Amino acid sequence: EDQVTQSPEALRLQEGESSSLNCSYTVSGLRGLFWYRQDPGKGPEFLFTLYSAGEEKEKERLKATLTKKESFLHITAPKPEDSATYLCAVQAAGANSKLTFGKGITLSVRP
Amino acid sequence: NAGVTQTPKFRVLKTGQSMTLLCAQDMNHEYMYWYRQDPGMGLRLIHYSVGEGTTAKGEVPDGYNVSRLKKQNFLLGLESAAPSQTSVYFCASRDSDGPYNEQFFGPGTRLTVL
Repeated sequence: EDQVTQSPEALRLQEGESSSLNCSYTVSGLRGLFWYRQDPGKGPEFLFTLYSAGEEKEKERLKATLTKKESFLHITAPKPEDSATYLCAVQAAGANSKLTFGKGITLSVRP
Repeated sequence: NAGVTQTPKFRVLKTGQSMTLLCAQDMNHEYMYWYRQDPGMGLRLIHYSVGEGTTAKGEVPDGYNVSRLKKQNFLLGLESAAPSQTSVYFCASRDSDGPYNEQFFGPGTRLTVL
């Protein structure tokens, strides 16, 4: 059974204080690992897809990395508008593009 | 492009009542999904469809039915609502092929069953 564990559950940062969010996974043949951002009362918004170990992708203050067992979402010099819940999901090979999601990490950035 | 839209945004039901949630997408996507999101549980797949006229069970299908009569629409039905079905429901869609296979999500429907 595919599993995704995200840690910590919640993270409070001061504006400008860089940190990382962790996503550990077990999957039978990884086809893709996805990061989404979810604001309160809204649907998840796509951020990144990573396909193979060693891959990295960046978008503004966010950088996602992937190993064979986990993914990190690095946030550099965060701003209050980066406050949101960040979701990690995996897609197994042959899964009809079904995703298995973690429970999410709630990030709060104080000005 | 409106993307993925969901109707209604909010609904309150009494135990035993029935209702249908509508999901529509204008991106010509083949794949569509229904999830529920509960505090501390994450997003869980209820049912999904890999094309018009097809449906399949996800992780938590009991108590729900779905239909995909038109490619752009995916309906989620509750025949006899129970308090355990109080949740936020999200619809998503995805292109069948291509280098980027992310799912696009709708804004959600908040359902309360009393």
